[in-house]
Amino acid sequence: GQQVMQIPQYQHVQEGEDFTTYCNSSTTLSNIQWYKQRPGGHPVFLIQLVKSGEVKKQKRLTFQFGEAKKNSSLHITATQTTDVGTYFCADSWGKLQFGAGTQVVVTP
Amino acid sequence: NAGVTQTPKFQVLKTGQSMTLQCAQDMNHEYMSWYRQDPGMGLRLIHYSVGAGITDQGEVPNGYNVSRSTTEDFPLRLLSAAPSQTSVYFCASSYTGTQPQHFGDGTRLSIL
Repeated sequence: GQQVMQIPQYQHVQEGEDFTTYCNSSTTLSNIQWYKQRPGGHPVFLIQLVKSGEVKKQKRLTFQFGEAKKNSSLHITATQTTDVGTYFCADSWGKLQFGAGTQVVVTP
Repeated sequence: NAGVTQTPKFQVLKTGQSMTLQCAQDMNHEYMSWYRQDPGMGLRLIHYSVGAGITDQGEVPNGYNVSRSTTEDFPLRLLSAAPSQTSVYFCASSYTGTQPQHFGDGTRLSIL
């Protein structure tokens, strides 16, 4: 099946800074879903991108789907301590398959 | 709505024991799935079901069985537990495999 690769694996961010995490595939993706998992919790759906070049925003989070539908990114501005967790992208080609995630640690 | 309910929340087994992890949803979702989560490995799909009576294998199905006799329930069976199956197990459901998944709180399983 299709595999999505996420980079970086770990991200240490100072509170107030911006950062971006990436999701890449060697093949064309059907659509991309993003999830957030807080420490000790379960994954929670954030957003789904379907169209080539699509950009969606949720407050300080900006999600983008690449023009070729082979990559996606999540950009967080003005990071807060509430952004701590692991962010997963998932390719939903009939069944949902997740990347390994980006673990985000925020330093106050 | 309770959403997706997983039981038990914690379990310790001895090698060779069998057990069933329970998963139930009350959202009338057709699609249900089981994942295991290990450090640094993300979520790996074990088995999934697109409706009652239909199941299929995911990435890591060996050592696990599933059945889907009703829309609501999707139990995961470990026939002979092995230490390599120590993990956190999540059940998820949605209307279809391409729709956002609703996850349960997980079962933390340790096999000694």
